Amino acid sequence: LAKTTQPISMDSYEGQEVNITCSHNNIATNDYITWYQQFPSQGPRFIIQGYKTKVTNEVASLFIPADRKSSTLSLPRVSLSDTAVYYCLVGDSSLGNNRLAFGKGNQVVVIP
Amino acid sequence: NAGVTQTPKFQVLKTGQSMTLQCAQDMNHEYMSWYRQDPGMGLRLIHYSVGAGITDQGEVPNGYNVSRSTTEDFPLRLLSAAPSQTSVYFCASSRTDRENTGELFFGEGSRLTVL
Repeated sequence: LAKTTQPISMDSYEGQEVNITCSHNNIATNDYITWYQQFPSQGPRFIIQGYKTKVTNEVASLFIPADRKSSTLSLPRVSLSDTAVYYCLVGDSSLGNNRLAFGKGNQVVVIP
Repeated sequence: NAGVTQTPKFQVLKTGQSMTLQCAQDMNHEYMSWYRQDPGMGLRLIHYSVGAGITDQGEVPNGYNVSRSTTEDFPLRLLSAAPSQTSVYFCASSRTDRENTGELFFGEGSRLTVL
């Protein structure tokens, strides 16, 4: 399974765009990239998933370069409620994302 | 739909006691899994199941047993609790097919303390 590497933590001011990077040098051809968000005392929540180029939904955008060895989750105009841990997972979702490793994630703190 | 339901939400055990954490989902998902989360750590996979009657080990399976007799239920058993099993436990489920993202749906967690 492809291993992911993320920064441990980052701070951002309210209203700014936040870009969170994830490295996955050993990504396989069938692997998708999925991001989750976790608030304190809650289970993680799905944010977005992509395979290549760019994916956008109502919450975030996901940028994936051509070599797919990294990805960037972009949160536009963050608010205090976006303070959370963000996890990047890489794997073949048709085999079940429940077998993938979450790692320690990236703690994002939004500052007023 | 209630989604993924975990019980109990809180539990205190003494070392050596046994207990079962219950997990039920009403979304007819094939895949279910158990994670534990310790302070400052991400989620570590304990056991998972790809369907009724099929289970397999994750990253940290020692000290835990699971079974999957029905699609809906996936209980996690601690046969002889140890202080090292003090943690927050999350159950998750997902459906998987090529047209689906494989999105994981998590329960609210069960906080276990072993004295």
